[in-house]
Amino acid sequence: EPEVTQTPSHQVTQMGQEVILRCVPISNHLYFYWYRQILGQKVEFLVSFYNNEISEKSEIFDDQFSVERPDGSNFTLKIRSTKLEDSAMYFCASSDPGRTYGYTFGSGTRLTVV
Amino acid sequence: QKEVEQNSGPLSVPEGAIASLNCTYSDRVSQSFFWYRQYSGKSPELIMSIYSNGDKEDGRFTAQLNKASQYVSLLIRDSQPSDSATYLCAVKVSTASKLTFGTGTRLQVTL
Repeated sequence: EPEVTQTPSHQVTQMGQEVILRCVPISNHLYFYWYRQILGQKVEFLVSFYNNEISEKSEIFDDQFSVERPDGSNFTLKIRSTKLEDSAMYFCASSDPGRTYGYTFGSGTRLTVV
Repeated sequence: QKEVEQNSGPLSVPEGAIASLNCTYSDRVSQSFFWYRQYSGKSPELIMSIYSNGDKEDGRFTAQLNKASQYVSLLIRDSQPSDSATYLCAVKVSTASKLTFGTGTRLQVTL
């Protein structure tokens, strides 16, 4: 069963620091996504990425955030100048839009900002 | 604001019973509907998808969709303690669009 791989599984960072969360989507998938889930809250969409550009983003995804596909396999989320309220689980997902099924989610990165 | 609504629960059912989970959505153009299971501290895991009105069965799970009423449900037959988790309803308006999630319903299956 193909998997979406995320690293690290847990990251602790000081407020104001920059973090990069990494994801390796399923190899033949074309759409990539980042979601976040603050503890006890719902899963929230951040951004979708297709053909090396952002295809959709939420109001959460402001100038503090950026995404990149630096090579053929990795997909990264950068959070600049982290704030306490950025503490959350961050999930990467990928999908093949040619098939009508839901996304495959990675296991997540728990980001703790102290 | 396009919403997906779920009762947060917890919904408590005895082992072997049928668990019924419900979800309503506000965006009439929604095309695809999904149920995910999420264990505490883990990522969402897809268990069912449904695109057409009616019922779709997969093992112990049955998804039901009524687009006119903007309503999706999930039935879990012969509930097991391992089914205890939060069940997330999610919708999207097109094949490649974002998923919009509900807050989830926490299911507890008691022995």
